[in-house]
Amino acid sequence: GAGVSQSPSNKVTEKGKDVELRCDPISGHTALYWYRQSLGQGLEFLIYFQGNSAPDKSGLPSDRFSAERTGGSVSTLTIQRTQQEDSAVYLCASSLLPGEPQHFGDGTRLSIL
Amino acid sequence: AQTVTQSQPEMSVQEAETVTLSCTYDTSESNYYLFWYKQPPSRQMILVIRQEAYKQQNATENRFSVNFQKAAKSFSLKISDSQLGDTAMYFCAFMSPPGAQKLVFGQGTRLTINP
Repeated sequence: GAGVSQSPSNKVTEKGKDVELRCDPISGHTALYWYRQSLGQGLEFLIYFQGNSAPDKSGLPSDRFSAERTGGSVSTLTIQRTQQEDSAVYLCASSLLPGEPQHFGDGTRLSIL
Repeated sequence: AQTVTQSQPEMSVQEAETVTLSCTYDTSESNYYLFWYKQPPSRQMILVIRQEAYKQQNATENRFSVNFQKAAKSFSLKISDSQLGDTAMYFCAFMSPPGAQKLVFGQGTRLTINP
């Protein structure tokens, strides 16, 4: 498809495990964003990638969270030693250029038992 | 820091009625964008409408229009002739380029359109 693709759609894991969430942006989009949406809440910014520039990590809640974007395309968000408060929907978005409208994927629902 | 406030957690109207969702924001920036996103149960965030702060004319997209009051820092969304498919969470969002590319979201309004 032509939209932002995220996998897995749902992930259930035990507390303390590491998880990796994947985002495949729209082809040609230079900007990629990760957001977190806790139950019944708005979206909270996590991290932003633009081309080859250093990412804006200002929204990452702790050092257990990290992300990378390889080859300017696919991005992986990694959460180490997961905690129950990490349970949320993790949404990825991409835009053609910074400041252009962001197009979102369907998200990954992460549940920590 | 910018903040976005949606004061209506839930709203409910009958099909074909007009409904207005409220949004206020706080910023010291003069150049910024405002958005309304729709999130149906499928979870995907769908862009409804976008407004550039430097434009005085209110944005319109078919049945969706905004009332942008820059001095009051208000950005409401009007949905005309509401349809069952409009049932969703609606989020107001703010972005101030070029320094900050992230979207700052409000808490959302759950809108239900009743048959």
